[in-house]
Parts: sequence; structure tokens; C-alpha cells
Amino acid sequence: ETGVTQTPRHLVMGMTNKKSLKCEQHLGHNAMYWYKQSAKKPLELMFVYNFKEQTENNSVPSRFSPECPNSSHLFLHLHTLQPEDSALYLCASSQREGAATNEKLFFGSGTQLSVL
Amino acid sequence: GEDVEQSLFLSVREGDSSVINCTYTDSSSTYLYWYKQEPGAGLQLLTYIFSNMDMKQDQRLTVLLNKKDKHLSLRIADTQTGDSAIYFCAESIGDYKLSFGAGTTVTVRA
Repeated sequence: ETGVTQTPRHLVMGMTNKKSLKCEQHLGHNAMYWYKQSAKKPLELMFVYNFKEQTENNSVPSRFSPECPNSSHLFLHLHTLQPEDSALYLCASSQREGAATNEKLFFGSGTQLSVL
Repeated sequence: GEDVEQSLFLSVREGDSSVINCTYTDSSSTYLYWYKQEPGAGLQLLTYIFSNMDMKQDQRLTVLLNKKDKHLSLRIADTQTGDSAIYFCAESIGDYKLSFGAGTTVTVRA
């Protein structure tokens, strides 16, 4: 089993649909992240969860709703998305050891989302 | 600001050295990173450098850091076709967060 698994790999949805992206990490990490990757743009940090508590919401529109039921699972619930939301959504995890030190992220392969 | 900038494309001949450059803005960054993304995959940590170092070598990879100019580079010696990928520069911006660039697509030609 790979370290960080994301499902589905590909998703096509209409603007009125509701869907969810799933991420699971098997590394025993205590922090999980959602990033958005659009072509030729810097990776955008969307949400951060530390020990299941959301510690960062980077001005993300409310049509994206994260959920972290435990430290191994992370979801991104989607509803009434716009075509400009089409992108690769990456999940990552890391192990935080107290004071901020070396922040090594482990990424999943991403969900390629197309909004029609 | 938290801007990381890098050129978007690099083409290199197999066997030559590749040099990927990056500039960052946060002078208090503790660590700087290079991540690699192969087609259809997520990002994978390639190497990193602590801010009090100016060079780090790891097999074919050499990282150079110029803190004064906020410039980071990654040199890949003897570039191979398997090195074709997107390379992301990232800086730590405090509070367990990383700021990434847009990625440099490296194409290795025979």
C-alpha cells in the first residue's frame, strides 16, 4: 500500500453535482493537507489539519468543504463548483514533532477534477 | 510576500547537466526544498537544504543556496531520460506551511 492514497484518480462533474474526494495516509502522520495544482501556477495550499483540527483555511470558497474524521483520513466535499475549479487536487501528510522544523510532505497522486 | 518563482521550462540533452533556478522571498525560511513530480503522480521530496548551508550534494544532485540573493538552484549531473519531470521549489514559511513555485518542466532529449 502506498503512503498516501487518493480516490478517485479522475472525476468529471457538472456544476450542480455534489461529490467527495478521499485521501488516506498509511504513514502514521499527524497532519494532512489539501493542495490545488493548476497548470503553470504555484501550488495553492487550501486546508491544513493538525491532529484532526483544522488549522488553516486559505481563503477557500465555501463550495469546498473539508472533513477530517481521524488523523488517517481526509475528505474534500465539493458542491456547485465552477469550471475554473478544474485542477489536480493533491492530498499530503506530514509528521509534526513540536516546534516547526523540517516540514517534509508526502503527497498522493492526486484527483484530476474536470468541472463542466 | 510568499512568492517562489522559477522558470517554467528547461530542455536538456541526455548526459548533460541540468540547472533549475528558483528565487524566493521569505528571508526567514528555515528550510528550502526541491520536489519532483513525474507524469500522473504526486510530488515527491527530492532533497532539501537548511538555511545555514550554502551547498548540499546528494549523488547526482547538488543544491546551491545564496541567502543574500534569495536564490536556490538544483543541478542534476549526467541527466537521464528518467529525470524528465516537473521540479518544484518550495520554502518553509512558518507554522508548518510550505510555499511552492509553479514548477519547472524538464524535458530530456536524446
